Amino acid sequence: SAVISQKPSRDICQRGTSLTIQCQVDSQVTMMFWYRQQPGQSLTLIATANQGSEATYESGFVIDKFPISRPNLTFSTLTVSNMSPEDSSIYLCSAGTGELFFGEGSRLTVL
Amino acid sequence: QKEVEQDPGPLSVPEGAIVSLNCTYSNSAFQYFMWYRQYSRKGPELLMYTYSSGNKEDGRFTAQVDKSSKYISLFIRDSQPSDSATYLCAMSLSGNTPLVFGKGTRLSVIA
Repeated sequence: SAVISQKPSRDICQRGTSLTIQCQVDSQVTMMFWYRQQPGQSLTLIATANQGSEATYESGFVIDKFPISRPNLTFSTLTVSNMSPEDSSIYLCSAGTGELFFGEGSRLTVL
Repeated sequence: QKEVEQDPGPLSVPEGAIVSLNCTYSNSAFQYFMWYRQYSRKGPELLMYTYSSGNKEDGRFTAQVDKSSKYISLFIRDSQPSDSATYLCAMSLSGNTPLVFGKGTRLSVIA
């Protein structure tokens, strides 16, 4: 299994600012994904973080709003740009090779 | 029609009961099937990982996949109050593609 650490675990942000979430995996993995989970809801895929190339975004998510980096096989970042209250959510990093594991999530509140 | 359908519950059972959780799906190309458990304010925890059709058992948990019916199940034997959580089914096309999640079923096991 893979152990996934996310930072920050929670944050309160002002409208119009940007926040970068970090995801660190304790072993090299093939796949890394970023999901969003609204309170009481299921998980929605934001994008696939591709090592050494641009991320692959799902419909409704764009690179200007959610830039993603993945410089190597154990680390990725997700930035939530120009935040609005609608961006208040839990952001989850998922990683693995075959089996996919999740971090504890980053809970963002935008005021 | 959503790709993955899961009854959100809530489901309430007495301690010691057998719990049956189910998902149906529409895409016959799904090959990998997973069940996650998510406690409140925590990230999803991988419980079961199954490839194609068949059964898989791990302790009190049994996962079943019936690809001909596009139906997967998770059984929990001798349920405990500590099993109270939201259970999410998820599936993917291959071992290296993102997961598609059901809505999750909220389970309460009453002592």
